[in-house]
Amino acid sequence: NAGVTQTPKFRVLKTGQSMTLLCAQDMNHEYMYWYRQDPGMGLRLIHYSVGEGTTAKGEVPDGYNVSRLKKQNFLLGLESAAPSQTSVYFCASSILAGTTDTQYFGPGTRLTVL
Amino acid sequence: DQQVKQNSPSLSVQEGRISILNCDYTNSMFDYFLWYKKYPAEGPTFLISISSIKDKNEDGRFTVFLNKSAKHLSLHIVPSQPGDSAVYFCAATSNTNNDMRFGAGTRLTVKP
Repeated sequence: NAGVTQTPKFRVLKTGQSMTLLCAQDMNHEYMYWYRQDPGMGLRLIHYSVGEGTTAKGEVPDGYNVSRLKKQNFLLGLESAAPSQTSVYFCASSILAGTTDTQYFGPGTRLTVL
Repeated sequence: DQQVKQNSPSLSVQEGRISILNCDYTNSMFDYFLWYKKYPAEGPTFLISISSIKDKNEDGRFTVFLNKSAKHLSLHIVPSQPGDSAVYFCAATSNTNNDMRFGAGTRLTVKP
């Protein structure tokens, strides 16, 4: 049981490049989330999904797109990376509806945009 | 706007003593609060939570206190152990939405 895994662990992009971050969970959780963490700030919710085939915007969605084609996977895409998107990205999942349920986090992806 | 604030970026305590981590929030709609713990190079892990209908929740060495009128919560760790050294995030949410807001975190160092 691997829990929540994220691919890749590190990535360096040039401004304007695109990439996709993959999140996978093997706990059969309905809810999945993408956060970013920046120095001096807490985790901020980018997008989330309440089930397969659904996505919704969080607090800071601009510049990102997501897809949840399979229940176990949640993809975060950057179409045209900008230096402001340099951050550590965390994926999380939870069993039940809503954020009052415990969220299980992946180890994070450190992204640098030059 | 930061709706959840942890004003102490760091805290250092001696092993065996009490650690008190503080958190303030501004949004009166928040009715559920959580603490997450994070080690370097790992994702946050859930530690303890409290609903707004309570003012205290205890789990072993960890106790969270909630003061709704002051919009303040605190995490007490007694006794503190070196393995507790980590970054602690306070988070707040409500039952009516899926948005959880985190504080910036407090780095706790427990010295042997």
